[in-house]
Amino acid sequence: QSVLTQPPSVSAAPGQKVTISCSGTFSNIGNNYVSWYQQLPGTAPKLLIYDNNKRPSGIPDRFSGSKSGTSATLGITGLQTGDEADYYCGTWDSDLSAGVFGGGTKLTVL
Amino acid sequence: DVQLVQSGAEVKKPGESLKISCKGSGYSFTSHWIGWVRQMPGKGLEWMGIIYPGDSDTRYSPSFQGQVTISADKSISTAYLQWSSLKASDTAMYYCARGSTVLSPEFDYWGQGTLVTVSS
Repeated sequence: QSVLTQPPSVSAAPGQKVTISCSGTFSNIGNNYVSWYQQLPGTAPKLLIYDNNKRPSGIPDRFSGSKSGTSATLGITGLQTGDEADYYCGTWDSDLSAGVFGGGTKLTVL
Repeated sequence: DVQLVQSGAEVKKPGESLKISCKGSGYSFTSHWIGWVRQMPGKGLEWMGIIYPGDSDTRYSPSFQGQVTISADKSISTAYLQWSSLKASDTAMYYCARGSTVLSPEFDYWGQGTLVTVSS
């Protein structure tokens, strides 16, 4: 059971938009920055979003992040088949004094 | 370019000890936190712990405290994850990842992963 809650799967057609939610509590999302990662099959995770809504260099603006209260959302527009991957949210948990991840969401581009 | 290169796959028996490594290059190794993340077969990411090589300040997830030891040798820009007595349930892919210069949740560069298989 992960500290952060994500939907197990989402799907959408190529070219469409999808959002992935990440729900937590005051001790984690509510009081700390959220980051998002993409893990393509058989590869290491890759940072997509940090500090709730910032994109590292090289990440296209099709990927966006937002946070409100104890929830965060990853948005992906203009879906491509290459976006099929597992997506994870992550943050710090002040009560645990440790980092935490969501359980992951598998994105299928139909 | 920032790189984290991890040691190769390991096959061990229950009860054996193991130390895997993660060598950083292309940045100031002592100025960034380095974390370890477990991914069991077919499962999600689990945050294990993090170390600041500059002063060896180390934090563990409660789930992993006492189960593993994280260390670093700044003279050779290498971080380590070790077990004193492996269990079959330690079978997983282990990733090291670079954190920020301050203790923060994001990891911006990741190693390629080390697959650890524990089987009798």
